[in-house]
Amino acid sequence: DVKVTQSSRYLVKRTGEKVFLECVQDMDHENMFWYRQDPGLGLRLIYFSYDVKMKEKGDIPEGYSVSREKKERFSLILESASTNQTSMYLCATVAGTANSPLHFGNGTRLTVT
Amino acid sequence: GQQVMQIPQYQHVQEGEDFTTYCNSSTTLSNIQWYKQRPGGHPVFLIQLVKSGEVKKQKRLTFQFGEAKKNSSLHITATQTTDVGTYFCAGKYGNKLVFGAGTILRVKS
Repeated sequence: DVKVTQSSRYLVKRTGEKVFLECVQDMDHENMFWYRQDPGLGLRLIYFSYDVKMKEKGDIPEGYSVSREKKERFSLILESASTNQTSMYLCATVAGTANSPLHFGNGTRLTVT
Repeated sequence: GQQVMQIPQYQHVQEGEDFTTYCNSSTTLSNIQWYKQRPGGHPVFLIQLVKSGEVKKQKRLTFQFGEAKKNSSLHITATQTTDVGTYFCAGKYGNKLVFGAGTILRVKS
């Protein structure tokens, strides 16, 4: 079974802080994704990566950056947290084969005060 | 742009009643995936539909993909309390996966 581990389940940060959300997967998958989930909006793609040191912007990258130094780890960075970034953040991974499903981590609920 | 509309946003049913959620796209999809998220949990993959007009069943769940590959539905027969959660469709446009907003299902016992 694929295991996708997000380092924190709940996080509370102050406006302006730099925030790191970590995600680690154990299946040697090339592809990793960061989504945010908000009520009524579904899951929206922030950034994704198809390989080490490679990153691509998703649909809502503003205010975020990512880092992928190792294949198993994909980090989401909020350079200067703002209250509108309060959300559930979900990391996901997928095998390289076409049409493979996403495997999600348990999510990090971030509150920015 | 590519967008997947999912309705209804919320449904509250009596245990034993049926439930259906619908997804629509204005453009043709490569395939469509369905996920279930239990309360407090994360989305878990249920199934993928690829072919035009495809119908797949998983016990009480029936998934359909439209002939034009622009719409899909998930139907649950005789809901149970274990069915509660949010059901998401996710349409594939080429290499891009776009999620619907989800349908929250609540079941009264």
